[in-house]
Order: sequence, then C-alpha cells, then structure tokens
Amino acid sequence: KQEVTQIPAALSVPEGENLVLNCSFTDSAIYNLQWFRQDPGKGLTSLLLIQSSQREQTSGRLNASLDKSSGRSTLYIAASQPGDSATYLCAVWASYGKLTFGQGTILTVHP
Amino acid sequence: GAGVSQSPSNKVTEKGKDVELRCDPISGHTALYWYRQSLGQGLEFLIYFQGNSAPDKSGLPSDRFSAERTGGSVSTLTIQRTQQEDSAVYLCASSLEAEEEQYFGPGTRLTVT
Repeated sequence: KQEVTQIPAALSVPEGENLVLNCSFTDSAIYNLQWFRQDPGKGLTSLLLIQSSQREQTSGRLNASLDKSSGRSTLYIAASQPGDSATYLCAVWASYGKLTFGQGTILTVHP
Repeated sequence: GAGVSQSPSNKVTEKGKDVELRCDPISGHTALYWYRQSLGQGLEFLIYFQGNSAPDKSGLPSDRFSAERTGGSVSTLTIQRTQQEDSAVYLCASSLEAEEEQYFGPGTRLTVT
C-alpha cells in the first residue's frame, strides 16, 4: 500500500525566505506526482504536475523535483510572500489517476 | 469555463439520516473521482468513475456508502444511516481522461450531529 509522508508538518517563515517542502513515498512505481495548494475552507488548486518520465517542473517561483528511485519529491518556493500561506499537499498517482495524498505542510509566511 | 461544482456546500444532518452529495464535473471530462478529507485521516480516495462505470470503489469505507454517475456527467455520493465519523469534507474531481490532470471542486462539508 502506497504511503506518502510530508515533512515538515508546519512551517513558519518571514517574508522573502526561500523554502523547501519535502514529500516521500513508499512505492516508487508511481505514474505521476502532483503538488497542490489548499486554502482554508477551499478546494485544491493544482500547482505542479510531474510526469513519471520527468525530473522537475517549474512555474513562476515554484519548482518541484522528483526522484522516483529514492521515493522523494521536493517543492521549492522562492522569495516567499504572505499570499503563499496555505496548506501544501503532495499526491502520487496510480495509473488511472487515483491520488494518494500526504498529510500536508501548513505554511505561514509572515510579513 | 465552469469548473467542478458541488452541492450543497454545507450539510448538517442528524445521525441515522441519509444524505446525498452531488458533483457536476467539467463538461466533457470522462473521469470522476470522490475523495474525503477528515481531521484524523487526511485526504483519502473513495471511488473512481470512468464514464458511468466505477472500476475502483475500493476506498468506500462501508456498505453505507454508494455512488453513481449518470449520462457520463453528474455523480451522486449517497451515505445511508449517517454516523458521526462520516463528518468530513467530501471533494470531487474530474479529468478529461483518467491519466490527465484532475480539477477539484470546492467540496461539501458534512457534519453529522
């Protein structure tokens, strides 16, 4: 059974810092890996989708990497802003899109 | 265009009552997924539809839970004889095909009193 772990569970940083969120998974036979953002009381917003043949994806200040062999992914956020405050979720895909989620990292960026 | 919509946004029900939660996927999306987010369990998969059939319903926690999808579009998740442990946010997602990116709805917050 696939298990996904995210570290740290919570992170509080001052505005402007670069930060790294970690995700690890137990079964390396994944199809894709996806990072989401969730704001309080809201649904999920997709940030980055890394296909199994890819090593990384970038969108603006966000960069996500994937190392299937070691069962790890990292989400790098550059020059953090208060608007980045949210819960960040890592999810690994089964072949037909079934997602297994980590517990999330709660990020607070204070001015 | 319109995203995934879910109704109701909030539902409070008494223990033992049945509830129906609705999901309207993005038009043309063939794959539809239900997930549940609760404080103790995080976000967990419930069921996957491809068209109107459900190849994977392994995440449904008990036989009190059922789901259907009609016309390859709207899906309904039904919980019979609700229990307090059913309290959670129920999220629906759809994708163009099963291996494409999923788009999530805002969820239905279910509270069983």
